[in-house]
Amino acid sequence: AQSVTQLDSQVPVFEEAPVELRCNYSSSVSVYLFWYVQYPNQGLQLLLKYLSGSTLVESINGFEAEFNKSQTSFHLRKPSVHISDTAEYFCAVINSGTYKYIFGTGTRLKVLA
Amino acid sequence: DAGVIQSPRHEVTEMGQEVTLRCKPISGHNSLFWYRQTMMRGLELLIYFNNNVPIDDSGMPEDRFSAKMPNASFSTLKIQPSEPRDSAVYFCASTPSRGSFSTDTQYFGPGTRLTVL
Repeated sequence: AQSVTQLDSQVPVFEEAPVELRCNYSSSVSVYLFWYVQYPNQGLQLLLKYLSGSTLVESINGFEAEFNKSQTSFHLRKPSVHISDTAEYFCAVINSGTYKYIFGTGTRLKVLA
Repeated sequence: DAGVIQSPRHEVTEMGQEVTLRCKPISGHNSLFWYRQTMMRGLELLIYFNNNVPIDDSGMPEDRFSAKMPNASFSTLKIQPSEPRDSAVYFCASTPSRGSFSTDTQYFGPGTRLTVL
């Protein structure tokens, strides 16, 4: 069965510092990978996704993630975070041939001034 | 477009009462999902509709939970009778997808925070 693991439940980081949020998945078939962000008291919003092609994908607000098939990872990175990036980040996977998102348990990013 | 609309935003009720949560998907979207989010279990898929038809309800916790989608613009999730362990945030999401397989972005509503006393 497929699964998604986000090992870090909370990540505190100072403003303008770099950050990496880790995501590993397990699946025996081709996968499609997503990062969603949830700001306080809001629903989830798509941040970026990998479907095919270049293994490095970027979002409009400076985040990037790299699909690494050999390590079954899809870590999210940002070289310099802002206070406004404080939110919960969810990694998700869909297996080829299904509709069902499997979400990780989330990583709460707290950016400190 | 107004996005996915959910009501109410907050609901406080007593154990044993019936609770109805409502969702209006984005116009033109054909797939609708109900999720439950708790600290302990994270985000769980409860039920999935495609073209108003329930496709997968394997995530519905038990018979106390039921969901309907009478038309393309409205869905309800009902809990009867409610219990304290049902306290959670319930999200509705929609996608344009017409089929069972899709990598479409899911558009989430703001959620309903349910507290059962």
